[in-house]
Amino acid sequence: TQLLEQSPQFLSIQEGENLTVYCNSSSVFSSLQWYRQEPGEGPVLLVTVVTGGEVKKLKRLTFQFGDARKDSSLHITAAQPGDTGLYLCAGDNFGNEKLTFGTGTRLTIIP
Amino acid sequence: GAGVSQSPSNKVTEKGKDVELRCDPISGHTALYWYRQSLGQGLEFLIYFQGNSAPDKSGLPSDRFSAERTGGSVSTLTIQRTQQEDSAVYLCASSLEGRIYEQFFGPGTRLTVL
Repeated sequence: TQLLEQSPQFLSIQEGENLTVYCNSSSVFSSLQWYRQEPGEGPVLLVTVVTGGEVKKLKRLTFQFGDARKDSSLHITAAQPGDTGLYLCAGDNFGNEKLTFGTGTRLTIIP
Repeated sequence: GAGVSQSPSNKVTEKGKDVELRCDPISGHTALYWYRQSLGQGLEFLIYFQGNSAPDKSGLPSDRFSAERTGGSVSTLTIQRTQQEDSAVYLCASSLEGRIYEQFFGPGTRLTVL
C-alpha cells in the first residue's frame, strides 16, 4: 500500500512569515499534485509536478518534486490570511487510475 | 455545468437506512472518482469510473457500498444499512480520460449517520 505522509499536520503562523510543508513516501510516483481545500468545499488543484527535481513557482508558492520522485515540498513566502486551508498532496503511480492522497496539513495564517 | 456538482450537500440519516449520493461531473469528462474524507483529513479512494465502467472497485469499504454511472455522466453512490462509521464527507471528482493528475472536485456531500 502506498502512503503519503505530510508534515506538519497542523501549522499556525503569523502573516508575513515563510513556511514549508512536506510530503514524503517510500514509494515512487509518476507525478505528484498539491491541492488546497477550504471548509465546505472540495480540493482545488494548485500544481502538478512530473519530473524528478522539478521546481514550479506560482506567485508566492514554490513546489519541488524530489529527485527520486518519492517526496515533495511546498514553500510559501510571506504568508497571507488567504493561504489558510487544508493542503493535500497526492500522487499517481504510472497508469494506475487512482490517486493516493496525503494525510493533509492544516495551515492557519494569523493576521 | 461549469463545475462538478453534488447533491445533497448535507444528509442526516438514521442508522440502518439507505442513502443515495449524486454526482454530476463536468460535461465531457469521461473519468469520475468517488472519495471519502473523514474529519478534514486526507481523502480515501472509493471507486473510479471510465465511462460507465468501474475498472477499480477496490476502495469500496464493504458490500454495503455500491456505485453506478449512467450515460457516461451522472453517478450515484449508494450506501445500504448505514452505520455511524459511514459519517464523512463524500467527494466526487471528474477528469478528462487519462488525466488522473488533473481532477476537478465537487463540494462534497456531508453525511451524518445518527
